[in-house]
Amino acid sequence: GIQVEQSPPDLILQEGANSTLRCNFSDSVNNLQWFHQNPWGQLINLFYIPSGTKQNGRLSATTVATERYSLLYISSSQTTDSGVYFCAVNTGNQFYFGTGTSLTVIP
Amino acid sequence: EPEVTQTPSHQVTQMGQEVILRCVPISNHLYFYWYRQILGQKVEFLVSFYNNEISEKSEIFDDQFSVERPDGSNFTLKIRSTKLEDSAMYFCASNSDRAYEKLFFGSGTQLSVL
Repeated sequence: GIQVEQSPPDLILQEGANSTLRCNFSDSVNNLQWFHQNPWGQLINLFYIPSGTKQNGRLSATTVATERYSLLYISSSQTTDSGVYFCAVNTGNQFYFGTGTSLTVIP
Repeated sequence: EPEVTQTPSHQVTQMGQEVILRCVPISNHLYFYWYRQILGQKVEFLVSFYNNEISEKSEIFDDQFSVERPDGSNFTLKIRSTKLEDSAMYFCASNSDRAYEKLFFGSGTQLSVL
């Protein structure tokens, strides 16, 4: 099956710092989503982004499908941004999840 | 905003017992899924369901697992004889009229097999 790798695996930021998370995938995909898993385990939709760039407040995402990667930008990080960020790619009837980036934002 | 609801939030069971996890997908969605996440690991696909039948399943989804849509609103995952390694968070998800559309997740059921 398709391989979905995320980097870095772990990230610690000072509150207010910016960061870039990366998602690489090994094959063509129909779609890509970014999720935030909060400390309570909930998976929250951040972006539905098959290609191009989208912005939502302090977060933005870019997918370059032809080069098989997506980036998630977090600006002016806050402690509530802590958690695990997953990308998930669709190749038919399912989404394959990446390995995740665990983000800790310290005050 | 509509949401996927799952019950129970926590389930503790003895090894060898049957469990049924319940989900109510978003009402106008047509594709339904079960995923699981073992503590500290990534989210793994179990099964997708469309038009009252399984459309795809993973290697994890063996004969011990089954899914059902018993009525117009509920979507269930049954594990016939639980094993210790079935302990995980189980997520239900749904999306609308195409399998690649935006995926919405429930809050999960934490299953602990003792």
